[in-house]
Amino acid sequence: AQTVTQSQPEMSVQEAETVTLSCTYDTSESNYYLFWYKQPPSRQMILVIRQEAYKQQNATENRFSVNFQKAAKSFSLKISDSQLGDTAMYFCAFMNPNTGNQFYFGTGTSLTVIP
Amino acid sequence: KAGVTQTPRYLIKTRGQQVTLSCSPISGHRSVSWYQQTPGQGLQFLFEYFSETQRNKGNFPGRFSGRQFSNSRSEMNVSTLELGDSALYLCASSLRVAPGANVLTFGAGSRLTVL
Repeated sequence: AQTVTQSQPEMSVQEAETVTLSCTYDTSESNYYLFWYKQPPSRQMILVIRQEAYKQQNATENRFSVNFQKAAKSFSLKISDSQLGDTAMYFCAFMNPNTGNQFYFGTGTSLTVIP
Repeated sequence: KAGVTQTPRYLIKTRGQQVTLSCSPISGHRSVSWYQQTPGQGLQFLFEYFSETQRNKGNFPGRFSGRQFSNSRSEMNVSTLELGDSALYLCASSLRVAPGANVLTFGAGSRLTVL
């Protein structure tokens, strides 16, 4: 089974600053997909960003970007210019298309943006 | 475009009872997945349905079951409830048009409390 590890249970950042959330995963597959999901206090999970393993270029979505290190099996999320609305739980997720649509999630990082 | 709708949002049951949760996916999405979210275990995959067929199942006892209807709506059922079944049950839908080209869109969840 795939495992996803988020080693930072809680983090905080000052508004307008930059923060990086860590994620590592374990797999023997070469083709897979990685995701960051955000779960605000209202509970609805929202996709933040997606990365295909076969793409070397790191994905970016506005203020959100990833640092994908395939050899190191690392997939960190960088949030630039942090905003109060970024306060949420962030989950890293792995999906192997060869085993169906099952996603494996990390235990999450609770991020608090401080005004 | 309406999002993923889960009902009920909150429910309280007692041990030994059974519960049925409902999920209406985004229009056009044929895949529905269910996840159990608890503070201790995080997000764990229950099962996925696609075109009324269960395509994948997580490591949960047979008390957890589901089905999908021809309109892609899905229900999950938990029989003989135990205290440990208290959790947030999340439903997610996706297009599942090709391996890997899938993003999960989550509903707000059904919060089950077992007394």
